Amino acid sequence: GAVVSQHPSWVICKSGTSVKIECRSLDFQATTMFWYRQFPKQSLMLMATSNEGSKATYEQGVEKDKFLINHASLTLSTLTVTSAHPEDSSFYICSATVLQGAETQYFGPGTRLLVL
Amino acid sequence: DQQVKQNSPSLSVQEGRISILNCDYTNSMFDYFLWYKKYPAEGPTFLISISSIKDKNEDGRFTVFLNKSAKHLSLHIVPSQPGDSAVYFCAASTGGTSYGKLTFGQGTILTVHP
Repeated sequence: GAVVSQHPSWVICKSGTSVKIECRSLDFQATTMFWYRQFPKQSLMLMATSNEGSKATYEQGVEKDKFLINHASLTLSTLTVTSAHPEDSSFYICSATVLQGAETQYFGPGTRLLVL
Repeated sequence: DQQVKQNSPSLSVQEGRISILNCDYTNSMFDYFLWYKKYPAEGPTFLISISSIKDKNEDGRFTVFLNKSAKHLSLHIVPSQPGDSAVYFCAASTGGTSYGKLTFGQGTILTVHP
């Protein structure tokens, strides 16, 4: 099946620094990528939808200036958490889709972010 | 507001028996429902789905039932196997299968004992 990777798998950073998380589709070209975050014992919450070459669409309540998303190619999307604070500590997971349809959404393994 | 809820955080079942995972939703606009399975250190993988025009969909050992009037769906695994031990998420979307924006439940940890 289609493989989506994320890098890094976990990261610890100091408050005030920026962190970049990469999401790659390894064996297919992704027209759309999604970014989710998950707090402990809670569901995956969609943060934003990004299409290659265009600006990301953010969900209500998600600060677009804090969570910068770039989808520069059909195989790579990046999420940058700017000026990270402890409340940004979470599990971030991306997914990619090559066709329209929820079934064809392939998920990465996730990135655990801890902000000290 | 949690639009998709999985009220059982965990479920323990004996190998060979039936596993029943439940999911409730509040948004009547949802018309497509999916179940995902997640192993540790891996992303969720698609398991089975059902459209709101159906009340049952079956794929091998996995069957999903949808009760629209009760806004409830369930996943049945028969027979359960130790390899089924994982976190199961239900998810819902609007607009049929043409759009991948998903709303997830909190997940249920299934443990199948040999």
